[in-house]
Amino acid sequence: NAGVTQTPKFRILKIGQSMTLQCTQDMNHNYMYWYRQDPGMGLKLIYYSVGAGITDKGEVPNGYNVSRSTTEDFPLRLELAAPSQTSVYFCASRPTGDGEQFFGPGTRLTVL
Amino acid sequence: KNEVEQSPQNLTAQEGEFITINCSYSVGISALHWLQQHPGGGIVSLFMLSSGKKKHGRLIATINIQEKHSSLHITASHPRDSAVYICAVRWGGNNNDMRFGAGTRLTVKP
Repeated sequence: NAGVTQTPKFRILKIGQSMTLQCTQDMNHNYMYWYRQDPGMGLKLIYYSVGAGITDKGEVPNGYNVSRSTTEDFPLRLELAAPSQTSVYFCASRPTGDGEQFFGPGTRLTVL
Repeated sequence: KNEVEQSPQNLTAQEGEFITINCSYSVGISALHWLQQHPGGGIVSLFMLSSGKKKHGRLIATINIQEKHSSLHITASHPRDSAVYICAVRWGGNNNDMRFGAGTRLTVKP
């Protein structure tokens, strides 16, 4: 199993551009999450999904959108990139129940 | 004030030393997680616990629900233990909302 994969690994955007961060898991997990990690700060939850077709906002959802059309994929969309969205983004998944989370390798995004 | 506080923020130890990292939280939780973030950025789960104590090799995690406190211990530390250790709690009210501490950066010198 590849686990949780994310693409791209790095990206530089100009202010106002849009992009989609891809996340795929091959463990048949129902729960998927998007986090951002800023220097010196804890990870913060952006959006999560409890299954295909179901998504909900986390702690810091503004400026982002998500969709969950399949169990495997949970893309994160930035519509109008802003410098405040410069961060490292982690996707994670876990099985139903109170199990551990599995994290992707992260995407480092810079908005200039 | 963060819901999850870790101490210390930074820790430097000599190889072989016993390490303790502390985590305090301020809300009711259903579970607490300890994570390890490698220098390359990847995050792996070390422990998930809701009571008592767990042990994996040289790592031990304890939690005191009444005191809202958890500790991560590393016995016989090794330079390969150098990483950021992150405490995270799953809120009792929303099982999908996890709150994370800022992490403890551990450096173990040979």
